[in-house]
Amino acid sequence: AQTVTQSQPEMSVQEAETVTLSCTYDTSESDYYLFWYKQPPSRQMILVIRQEAYKQQNATENRFSVNFQKAAKSFSLKISDSQLGDAAMYFCAYRSAGQGGSEKLVFGKGTKLTVNP
Amino acid sequence: NAGVMQNPRHLVRRRGQEARLRCSPMKGHSHVYWYRQLPEEGLKFMVYLQKENIIDESGMPKERFSAEFPKEGPSILRIQQVVRGDSAAYFCASSPLRGAVLYEQYFGPGTRLTVT
Repeated sequence: AQTVTQSQPEMSVQEAETVTLSCTYDTSESDYYLFWYKQPPSRQMILVIRQEAYKQQNATENRFSVNFQKAAKSFSLKISDSQLGDAAMYFCAYRSAGQGGSEKLVFGKGTKLTVNP
Repeated sequence: NAGVMQNPRHLVRRRGQEARLRCSPMKGHSHVYWYRQLPEEGLKFMVYLQKENIIDESGMPKERFSAEFPKEGPSILRIQQVVRGDSAAYFCASSPLRGAVLYEQYFGPGTRLTVT
């Protein structure tokens, strides 16, 4: 079974600075997707960024980028120019992509990000 | 295009009562997933459904929990004889089917169940 580990229960960053959230995962599959979701105090789950395992290029979405290291099974999220609205719980998630694989998302326990003004 | 709708947003039940949680997927989405989030935890998969069909229920407790996604109407997660340990946030997500490849899951706002 796949597992996702987020080793940082809490992180903090100064407004306008850069922060990196860590995520590692364990799988025997070669084809999969990885995601970062944001959960603000409203509890709504918001997709931040996704990465297909077969793509070597790291995904970017505006101020958000990932460092995907497939061999190391590492998938970190970098937030540049942090804003107060970035404060939230961040969840790393894994999903199989192969035929016959379950479509379920496997989540880590989350990292609570605080942005200090 | 309205997002995933869940109702009620908050539900309070006494121990032993039944809880029914509803989820209407986004328009055009034919796949629904249910997840449970316990306090201070990440989301845990419960069940994955298509219309009139359960695809994967590997995360569902063996007793008291059931789910359906009928041809017409919302998906329902039903919890019979609730206990205090069922208190959690229950999230529904939906995704479209694009050819043979399923796409991102879009989440609803969740239903917070409190069992007293």
